[in-house]
Amino acid sequence: GDSVTQMEGPVTLSEEAFLTINCTYTATGYPSLFWYVQYPGEGLQLLLKATKADDKGSNKGFEATYRKETTSFHLEKGSVQVSDSAVYFCALSGAGYSTLTFGKGTMLLVSP
Amino acid sequence: EAGVAQSPRYKIIEKRQSVAFWCNPISGHATLYWYQQILGQGPKLLIQFQNNGVVDDSQLPKDRFSAERLKGVDSTLKIQPAKLEDSAVYLCASSLRGRDTFYEQYFGPGTRLTVT
Repeated sequence: GDSVTQMEGPVTLSEEAFLTINCTYTATGYPSLFWYVQYPGEGLQLLLKATKADDKGSNKGFEATYRKETTSFHLEKGSVQVSDSAVYFCALSGAGYSTLTFGKGTMLLVSP
Repeated sequence: EAGVAQSPRYKIIEKRQSVAFWCNPISGHATLYWYQQILGQGPKLLIQFQNNGVVDDSQLPKDRFSAERLKGVDSTLKIQPAKLEDSAVYLCASSLRGRDTFYEQYFGPGTRLTVT
C-alpha cells in the first residue's frame, strides 16, 4: 500500500538557518504530494502541494519539488523564523483517491 | 468563514467506558473525515463520509468504533468500550467534495483522548 517516510525530529535550528526536511514515498501510479503544518494547539493546515512530477509547490517561503525519479518531496526554506516552529507532515493522495496517507511528522524547533 | 469545530477538546476516561466526539464541518462541505493521530505518528483515516453516506471505513475498528453523519452535516464518532490503545488525538476534517479527486481538507483542532 501507499506509504510516506520522513526524517525523524526534532530538527533544531537557529533563526535564519536553511531548512531541509526529507520526505520519500511509495505509491502506485502518480500520487499528489502535500506538506501540512501543525502549529502548537492548532489543527493541521495545508502548507503546499504538487500534483505531478517536477511540479514545485511553494508557500510562505517554503518550497518542495515533486521528484518522481527519486520518489521524494523534500521541504526547504532558505531562512527559518521562530514562528516556523511546528510539526511538519508529508502526505500523499493516491491516484484516483481523495484520502490522505501521512508520514509520522517532523518537529521543527527554531531558536532566536 | 468559520473553520471545522470539534468538541470536547480534551477527554479523560477509564478503559471500558464509552466516549463520543462531535464535529461540525465548514458550511457547504460535502465530505467529512475522521482521523486518529497517535502520539508520534501521522494521522490515520478512520472513516470518510460523502454527505451522509460512508465512502471509506476500511480502517475503522468496527467492533468498538462507530460514526454517523446525520443530515449530511454534523458528525459523531463513538468508542465503546474504550481501550488503552485508543489514547490519541481524534481529528475531524472536511472538504468541498472528494470522492474521485482531491479537494483541500480543512482540519479541526482535534479532541485529545486519554484512556486510563
